[in-house]
Amino acid sequence: QQQVKQSPQSLIVQKGGISIINCAYENTAFDYFPWYQQFPGKGPALLIAIRPDVSEKKEGRFTISFNKSAKQFSLHIMDSQPGDSATYFCAAPSGSARQLTFGSGTQLTVLP
Amino acid sequence: DARVTQTPRHKVTEMGQEVTMRCQPILGHNTVFWYRQTMMQGLELLAYFRNRAPLDDSGMPKDRFSAEMPDATLATLKIQPSEPRDSAVYFCASGLGGSQGANVLTFGAGSRLTVL
Repeated sequence: QQQVKQSPQSLIVQKGGISIINCAYENTAFDYFPWYQQFPGKGPALLIAIRPDVSEKKEGRFTISFNKSAKQFSLHIMDSQPGDSATYFCAAPSGSARQLTFGSGTQLTVLP
Repeated sequence: DARVTQTPRHKVTEMGQEVTMRCQPILGHNTVFWYRQTMMQGLELLAYFRNRAPLDDSGMPKDRFSAEMPDATLATLKIQPSEPRDSAVYFCASGLGGSQGANVLTFGAGSRLTVL
């Protein structure tokens, strides 16, 4: 059973600042590690995902850093905007169906 | 834009009633997952299917929950009888099983269940 620990639980950042969310997982896995973004009343939406053999992936203002040896990965949001205010979930794969185990979520608030 | 469709979006029912939630996965996706989201427990995996076959439903209370995929375009999650502690948002998600990267799922908008 995969375990995922996510921190912080909540984060407040000024507009233009950098938001950093961290996750740690327990079991080695060979599939993608995704981050999801969820707005109130909506389902989680895929934000960015990284292969475990890559140390960093960048898409626009969003970057995943992956440390395979430490079993940790993090999401960096550069130039944070009020529209980024949402709950962010990391997830780690496990099992034969590569099902995702989710972190507990981080509620990000970006102040204007 | 391909999407996972869930119905109903909202359901209020009384304790003891049967509740059925439906999901239409993205055409061509062969894995379907049911998750439950609550403030206390976060996103919990309830059950999942590959090519319509149930792979694991160990996350579900077996005595009251059941999940099925009668065909490739429909997945159902049934609660009978419902209890107040079942109040949550239930999400269906689908993905392309079988290849690396296929675990990245697309979620529906969810069914918000309130059991009085």
